[in-house]
Amino acid sequence: QQPVQSPQAVILREGEDAVINCSSSKALYSVHWYRQKHGEAPVFLMILLKGGEQKGHEKISASFNEKKQQSSLYLTASQLSYSGTYFCGTAAGAGGTSYGKLTFGQGTILTVHP
Amino acid sequence: DAGVIQSPRHEVTEMGQEVTLRCKPISGHDYLFWYRQTMMRGLELLIYFNNNVPIDDSGMPEDRFSAKMPNASFSTLKIQPSEPRDSAVYFCASTYSGNTIYFGEGSWLTVV
Repeated sequence: QQPVQSPQAVILREGEDAVINCSSSKALYSVHWYRQKHGEAPVFLMILLKGGEQKGHEKISASFNEKKQQSSLYLTASQLSYSGTYFCGTAAGAGGTSYGKLTFGQGTILTVHP
Repeated sequence: DAGVIQSPRHEVTEMGQEVTLRCKPISGHDYLFWYRQTMMRGLELLIYFNNNVPIDDSGMPEDRFSAKMPNASFSTLKIQPSEPRDSAVYFCASTYSGNTIYFGEGSWLTVV
Protein backbone atom coordinates (compact mmCIF):
# COMPACT_ATOMS: atom_id res chain seq x y z
CA GLN A 1 0.00 0.00 0.00
CA GLN A 2 1.31 3.41 -1.00
CA PRO A 3 2.58 5.63 1.85
CA VAL A 4 0.91 9.00 2.19
CA GLN A 5 2.97 12.16 2.02
CA SER A 6 2.02 15.57 3.32
CA PRO A 7 1.87 18.29 2.35
CA GLN A 8 1.40 17.80 -1.38
CA ALA A 9 3.21 21.04 -2.14
CA VAL A 10 5.30 23.61 -0.31
CA ILE A 11 6.43 27.05 -1.39
CA LEU A 12 9.31 28.63 0.48
CA ARG A 13 11.63 31.59 0.30
CA GLU A 14 15.33 30.98 0.57
CA GLY A 15 16.35 30.46 4.14
CA GLU A 16 13.01 29.15 5.35
CA ASP A 17 12.47 25.69 6.82
CA ALA A 18 10.12 22.91 5.76
CA VAL A 19 8.96 19.53 7.01
CA ILE A 20 7.66 16.75 4.76
CA ASN A 21 5.86 13.83 6.33
CA CYS A 22 5.48 10.24 5.19
CA SER A 23 3.00 7.90 6.79
CA SER A 24 2.34 4.21 6.21
CA SER A 25 -0.41 1.86 7.31
CA LYS A 26 2.06 -1.05 7.35
CA ALA A 27 4.87 -1.88 9.75
CA LEU A 28 8.06 -0.59 8.20
CA TYR A 29 11.63 -1.77 8.16
CA SER A 30 13.07 1.21 6.35
CA VAL A 31 12.20 4.56 4.86
CA HIS A 32 14.13 6.02 1.94
CA TRP A 33 14.01 9.65 0.86
CA TYR A 34 14.64 10.81 -2.70
CA ARG A 35 14.57 14.14 -4.50
CA GLN A 36 13.68 14.38 -8.16
CA LYS A 37 14.12 17.44 -10.33
CA HIS A 38 11.98 17.88 -13.38
CA GLY A 39 13.05 15.60 -16.19
CA GLU A 40 15.68 13.85 -14.11
CA ALA A 41 16.03 10.63 -12.16
CA PRO A 42 15.25 10.43 -8.44
CA VAL A 43 18.38 11.03 -6.39
CA PHE A 44 18.96 9.30 -3.08
CA LEU A 45 19.03 11.54 -0.01
CA MET A 46 19.06 9.18 2.94
CA ILE A 47 17.71 6.01 4.43
CA LEU A 48 16.36 5.36 7.89
CA LEU A 49 16.31 1.86 9.26
CA LYS A 50 14.21 0.38 11.99
CA GLY A 51 16.10 0.83 15.21
CA GLY A 52 18.45 3.31 13.63
CA GLU A 53 19.26 6.87 14.51
CA GLN A 54 18.04 10.06 12.97
CA LYS A 55 20.02 10.78 9.84
CA GLY A 56 21.41 14.02 8.57
CA HIS A 57 22.81 15.29 5.31
CA GLU A 58 24.02 18.90 5.13
CA LYS A 59 20.95 20.88 6.15
CA ILE A 60 18.57 18.04 5.43
CA SER A 61 17.76 15.53 8.13
CA ALA A 62 15.09 12.96 8.79
CA SER A 63 13.51 10.97 11.57
CA PHE A 64 11.70 7.65 11.70
CA ASN A 65 9.03 6.82 14.26
CA GLU A 66 8.69 3.06 14.02
CA LYS A 67 5.72 2.82 16.33
CA LYS A 68 3.72 5.30 14.32
CA GLN A 69 5.11 4.08 10.99
CA GLN A 70 5.97 7.64 10.11
CA SER A 71 8.98 9.49 8.85
CA SER A 72 9.65 13.18 8.51
CA LEU A 73 12.16 15.00 6.33
CA TYR A 74 13.46 18.30 7.68
CA LEU A 75 14.89 20.93 5.37
CA THR A 76 16.46 23.86 7.17
CA ALA A 77 17.63 27.16 5.74
CA SER A 78 16.38 26.12 2.33
CA GLN A 79 18.36 26.91 -0.82
CA LEU A 80 17.19 27.33 -4.39
CA SER A 81 18.78 23.96 -5.18
CA TYR A 82 16.35 22.25 -2.82
CA SER A 83 13.50 22.75 -5.27
CA GLY A 84 12.12 19.52 -6.64
CA THR A 85 9.75 16.70 -5.81
CA TYR A 86 10.52 14.72 -2.68
CA PHE A 87 9.51 11.10 -2.45
CA CYS A 88 9.54 8.73 0.44
CA GLY A 89 9.91 5.06 -0.34
CA THR A 90 9.02 2.47 2.25
CA ALA A 91 10.09 -1.14 2.67
CA ALA A 92 8.23 -3.57 4.87
CA GLY A 93 11.08 -5.95 5.47
CA ALA A 94 14.73 -6.70 5.09
CA GLY A 95 16.10 -9.58 3.12
CA GLY A 96 14.28 -12.14 1.05
CA THR A 97 11.48 -11.00 -1.17
CA SER A 98 10.93 -7.76 0.69
CA TYR A 99 14.39 -6.40 0.24
CA GLY A 100 14.59 -3.26 -1.78
CA LYS A 101 10.95 -3.49 -2.73
CA LEU A 102 10.13 0.14 -2.19
CA THR A 103 6.67 1.56 -2.39
CA PHE A 104 6.80 5.27 -3.08
CA GLY A 105 4.55 8.02 -1.86
CA GLN A 106 2.91 10.38 -4.32
CA GLY A 107 5.56 13.03 -3.80
CA THR A 108 5.75 16.51 -2.30
CA ILE A 109 6.57 19.39 -4.64
CA LEU A 110 8.94 21.85 -2.99
CA THR A 111 9.54 25.23 -4.59
CA VAL A 112 12.11 27.62 -3.19
CA HIS A 113 12.00 31.23 -4.37
CA PRO A 114 14.77 33.82 -4.01
CA ASP B 1 32.07 5.26 -11.76
CA ALA B 2 29.35 4.84 -14.34
CA GLY B 3 25.83 4.89 -12.98
CA VAL B 4 22.85 2.91 -14.16
CA ILE B 5 22.68 3.24 -17.93
CA GLN B 6 19.41 3.10 -19.80
CA SER B 7 18.56 3.19 -23.47
CA PRO B 8 16.88 4.60 -25.36
CA ARG B 9 16.44 7.88 -23.51
CA HIS B 10 13.45 8.82 -25.60
CA GLU B 11 11.23 6.71 -27.82
CA VAL B 12 8.13 7.55 -29.77
CA THR B 13 6.34 4.60 -31.28
CA GLU B 14 3.03 3.75 -32.82
CA MET B 15 0.40 1.76 -31.03
CA GLY B 16 0.83 -1.95 -31.63
CA GLN B 17 4.59 -1.81 -32.07
CA GLU B 18 7.03 -3.67 -29.88
CA VAL B 19 9.14 -1.58 -27.50
CA THR B 20 12.33 -2.79 -25.86
CA LEU B 21 13.97 -0.81 -23.08
CA ARG B 22 17.47 -1.67 -21.96
CA CYS B 23 19.37 -1.29 -18.74
CA LYS B 24 22.92 -1.78 -17.57
CA PRO B 25 23.09 -1.77 -13.77
CA ILE B 26 26.03 -0.55 -11.76
CA SER B 27 28.77 -3.17 -11.79
CA GLY B 28 28.66 -5.38 -8.71
CA HIS B 29 25.07 -4.63 -7.85
CA ASP B 30 22.96 -7.71 -7.23
CA TYR B 31 19.46 -6.20 -7.31
CA LEU B 32 17.85 -4.61 -10.34
CA PHE B 33 14.49 -2.87 -10.42
CA TRP B 34 12.19 -1.60 -13.15
CA TYR B 35 9.93 1.30 -12.17
CA ARG B 36 7.35 3.21 -14.17
CA GLN B 37 6.47 6.83 -13.44
CA THR B 38 3.32 8.63 -14.56
CA MET B 39 1.57 11.71 -13.30
CA MET B 40 -1.48 9.71 -12.31
CA ARG B 41 0.14 6.75 -10.57
CA GLY B 42 3.52 8.11 -9.50
CA LEU B 43 6.47 5.74 -9.19
CA GLU B 44 5.41 2.10 -9.43
CA LEU B 45 7.63 -0.93 -9.07
CA LEU B 46 7.06 -3.26 -12.01
CA ILE B 47 9.52 -6.07 -11.35
CA TYR B 48 12.79 -6.73 -9.61
CA PHE B 49 15.60 -9.23 -9.90
CA ASN B 50 18.12 -10.59 -7.44
CA ASN B 51 21.23 -12.16 -8.94
CA ASN B 52 19.50 -12.16 -12.33
CA VAL B 53 16.48 -14.08 -11.03
CA PRO B 54 13.06 -12.41 -11.09
CA ILE B 55 11.86 -12.15 -7.51
CA ASP B 56 8.62 -10.22 -7.73
CA ASP B 57 6.76 -9.31 -10.90
CA SER B 58 3.45 -8.52 -9.25
CA GLY B 59 3.68 -4.95 -10.48
CA MET B 60 3.82 -5.87 -14.14
CA PRO B 61 0.54 -4.51 -15.49
CA GLU B 62 -0.34 -7.29 -17.90
CA ASP B 63 0.95 -9.97 -20.21
CA ARG B 64 2.04 -7.40 -22.74
CA PHE B 65 4.93 -6.58 -20.42
CA SER B 66 7.89 -8.86 -19.95
CA ALA B 67 11.34 -8.43 -18.44
CA LYS B 68 14.52 -10.45 -18.63
CA MET B 69 17.94 -10.34 -17.08
CA PRO B 70 20.19 -12.73 -18.99
CA ASN B 71 23.28 -11.72 -17.05
CA ALA B 72 24.44 -9.47 -14.25
CA SER B 73 25.11 -6.53 -16.52
CA PHE B 74 22.02 -6.36 -18.71
CA SER B 75 18.26 -6.31 -18.44
CA THR B 76 15.41 -5.60 -20.84
CA LEU B 77 11.81 -4.56 -20.41
CA LYS B 78 9.65 -5.34 -23.38
CA ILE B 79 6.16 -4.17 -24.23
CA GLN B 80 4.37 -6.02 -27.02
CA PRO B 81 2.05 -4.72 -28.35
CA SER B 82 2.38 -1.19 -27.01
CA GLU B 83 -0.64 0.98 -26.24
CA PRO B 84 -1.00 4.74 -25.62
CA ARG B 85 -1.60 4.12 -21.92
CA ASP B 86 1.91 2.69 -21.67
CA SER B 87 3.31 6.17 -22.21
CA ALA B 88 5.45 6.93 -19.17
CA VAL B 89 8.99 7.28 -17.94
CA TYR B 90 10.53 3.89 -17.25
CA PHE B 91 13.34 3.85 -14.71
CA CYS B 92 15.82 1.11 -14.11
CA ALA B 93 17.54 1.08 -10.71
CA SER B 94 20.09 -1.09 -8.95
CA THR B 95 21.59 -1.68 -5.55
CA TYR B 96 24.10 -3.94 -3.86
CA SER B 97 22.42 -5.80 -0.99
CA GLY B 98 22.67 -2.51 0.63
CA ASN B 99 20.41 0.37 1.16
CA THR B 100 20.98 2.94 -1.51
CA ILE B 101 19.07 2.36 -4.71
CA TYR B 102 20.53 4.19 -7.70
CA PHE B 103 18.25 5.18 -10.55
CA GLY B 104 19.11 5.51 -14.19
CA GLU B 105 18.17 8.60 -16.19
CA GLY B 106 14.99 6.96 -17.41
CA SER B 107 13.51 6.04 -20.77
CA TRP B 108 10.76 8.42 -21.88
CA LEU B 109 8.23 6.41 -23.85
CA THR B 110 5.45 7.92 -25.91
CA VAL B 111 3.01 5.62 -27.69
CA VAL B 112 0.84 7.36 -30.27
